[in-house]
Amino acid sequence: DAGVIQSPRHEVTEMGQEVTLRCKPISGHDYLFWYRQTMMRGLELLIYFNNNVPIDDSGMPEDRFSAKMPNASFSTLKIQPSEPRDSAVYFCASGLGPSADGYTFGSGTRLTVV
Amino acid sequence: AQTVTQSQPEMSVQEAETVTLSCTYDTSESDYYLFWYKQPPSRQMILVIRQEAYKQQNATENRFSVNFQKAAKSFSLKISDSQLGDAAMYFCAYRSFHAGGTSYGKLTFGQGTILTVHP
Repeated sequence: DAGVIQSPRHEVTEMGQEVTLRCKPISGHDYLFWYRQTMMRGLELLIYFNNNVPIDDSGMPEDRFSAKMPNASFSTLKIQPSEPRDSAVYFCASGLGPSADGYTFGSGTRLTVV
Repeated sequence: AQTVTQSQPEMSVQEAETVTLSCTYDTSESDYYLFWYKQPPSRQMILVIRQEAYKQQNATENRFSVNFQKAAKSFSLKISDSQLGDAAMYFCAYRSFHAGGTSYGKLTFGQGTILTVHP
């Protein structure tokens, strides 16, 4: 099992550009989460999906952020246009709903907007 | 909504000693899961230990154990025989147990505690 795979690992972009972060969850997992981590705000849940359907997107900061899960094996988080305050580490995590196991996290994408 | 609070931004311990990290949570639910995650400088989030609220017995994983006090809504992590590799940020997290609620499946984290281990 390769775990949750995120790409890219690092991304540096200029303000105003579009950024797309990618995630491949563990096969068979029915929940997928996008978290953002900053020093000031800690770990924030942005959005999560169950069986590819968005369940709660109340954590998405602005309309500039959007997330999709077109199938069970792929999800994207897009920021358009990006701003310096979006600089953070973005984590994707997946898990099984009924399971007592905690969710498995990817290695994260460190986004820097200059 | 559930909230998780870690009141210790930083803790330190001498190698081979024992340290306890605190966590409290607020919920109106009777069944739920609690977790401790470790985040070393590599930033990978690693599950350390989990506790089902319906189990009275405290969970243990090698040198890691918890003190789960359901009535007090407290869930502390004890690390025995601390090692240099234990140095990391530790997060406490909560997850609902029952399907159907809007928060089912959602993992809510505390603010984290930075643990330093001195040789």
